[in-house]
Amino acid sequence: DIQMTQSPSSLSASVGDRVTITCRASQSISRHLNWYQQKPGKAPKLLIYAASSLQSGVPSRFSGSGSGTDFIFTISSLQPEDFATYYCQQSYSTPTFGGGTKVEIK
Amino acid sequence: QVQLQESGPGLVKPSETLSLTCTVSGGSISSYYYNWIRQPPGKGLEWIGNIYNSGSTNYNPSLKSRVTISVDTSKNQFSLKLSSVTAADTAMYYCARDLGGGIPRTFDIWGQGTMVTVSS
Repeated sequence: DIQMTQSPSSLSASVGDRVTITCRASQSISRHLNWYQQKPGKAPKLLIYAASSLQSGVPSRFSGSGSGTDFIFTISSLQPEDFATYYCQQSYSTPTFGGGTKVEIK
Repeated sequence: QVQLQESGPGLVKPSETLSLTCTVSGGSISSYYYNWIRQPPGKGLEWIGNIYNSGSTNYNPSLKSRVTISVDTSKNQFSLKLSSVTAADTAMYYCARDLGGGIPRTFDIWGQGTMVTVSS
């Protein structure tokens, strides 16, 4: 299995802040990397696929970059509705997810 | 728009078989891969396996010996069976559809999830 390591596991931020989450794969996955948002009691929501492609209907403040083993997810200006847990997921082989990053209100 | 809905028992006894069904509404089940993904309480996500409308399946190697996924295109449904369950199989179980368009193993449309507890 390809292991996905996210950091940090949690962070506190204020509305308007720029937030960055990193995801590292245990081997190269090219650009086969997706990002999801999950709110309490809800199913995950696809935000970014193929490392940097914005899913339809997702606000442009969300972005992704990277290739190979290192990836970055960015929220350019944190909004109240963005407080949630974010997961990376590799789609290169048998899908595996990162451990999640909980974004909390500062 | 396409919606997915999981159904099945919320409580399963240890050593028995967990059985869930996902109903696809608002569109045909054809031409996409459909997935089962689970999440133990307070923990991360684990992909269980997927199926295409042809019946072709892929399973997570860590669960492969206990998992069967099947499809009933006439009912627009696909199903999960997980045998010999233990408390470690207690989780929220989600069904999800692939994004499609040649982009594999990317989960676009999700059901709301169904909680399954393994307990005697």
